Amino acid sequence: AQSVTQPDIHITVSEGASLELRCNYSYGATPYLFWYVQSPGQGLQLLLKYFSGDTLVQGIKGFEAEFKRSQSSFNLRKPSVHWSDAAEYFCAVNPEGAGTYKYIFGTGTRLKVLA
Amino acid sequence: DGGITQSPKYLFRKEGQNVTLSCEQNLNHDAMYWYRQDPGQGLRLIYYSQIVNDFQKGDIAEGYSVSREKKESFPLTVTSAQKNPTAFYLCASNPGRGGGADQPQHFGDGTRLSIL
Repeated sequence: AQSVTQPDIHITVSEGASLELRCNYSYGATPYLFWYVQSPGQGLQLLLKYFSGDTLVQGIKGFEAEFKRSQSSFNLRKPSVHWSDAAEYFCAVNPEGAGTYKYIFGTGTRLKVLA
Repeated sequence: DGGITQSPKYLFRKEGQNVTLSCEQNLNHDAMYWYRQDPGQGLRLIYYSQIVNDFQKGDIAEGYSVSREKKESFPLTVTSAQKNPTAFYLCASNPGRGGGADQPQHFGDGTRLSIL
């Protein structure tokens, strides 16, 4: 079955430090990949998406993600974290080849930023 | 601005009571979804609908019901059969089959349901 794994439940970084959030997926073909951010008590906001082409994609708020087919990974990065980046981050997959539009979400990584 | 509106933001349910969560979108999207979010469990799909008058069960449909009589509306009823309804509920939409699988989902701001 298709699945998405975010191995880190919590990550703490200092403001100004770099950030990498990990995401691995299990799917035979290349799925459509997304990263979302969620502030407490709010819905999810799309940061970026990948479906083909350049494996390094740029998103909003200075985030980027790199798709690595050989590792089945789609890690999210930011060179310098701001205190406002503290939130929960979700990786998601749309395995379109399954013939449905059932997105699959990881369990999320909660980011804490130290001043 | 186009978007998804969920109401109410907070909802309280008594034991044995059914409650209905509202979700309205003005994005002209065909597909709509309901998710349940619990701490540490990510988003779990309850029901989804790819077109008006049609919907499918997701992974945790027991104790829930939906309807899709209008394109813009996809209400979720939490029935008394749902034994642990306390959670954060998120509604989402996307263009659907005609819009391409690369289209992301758009989310509402959620409804937090609690048991009294």
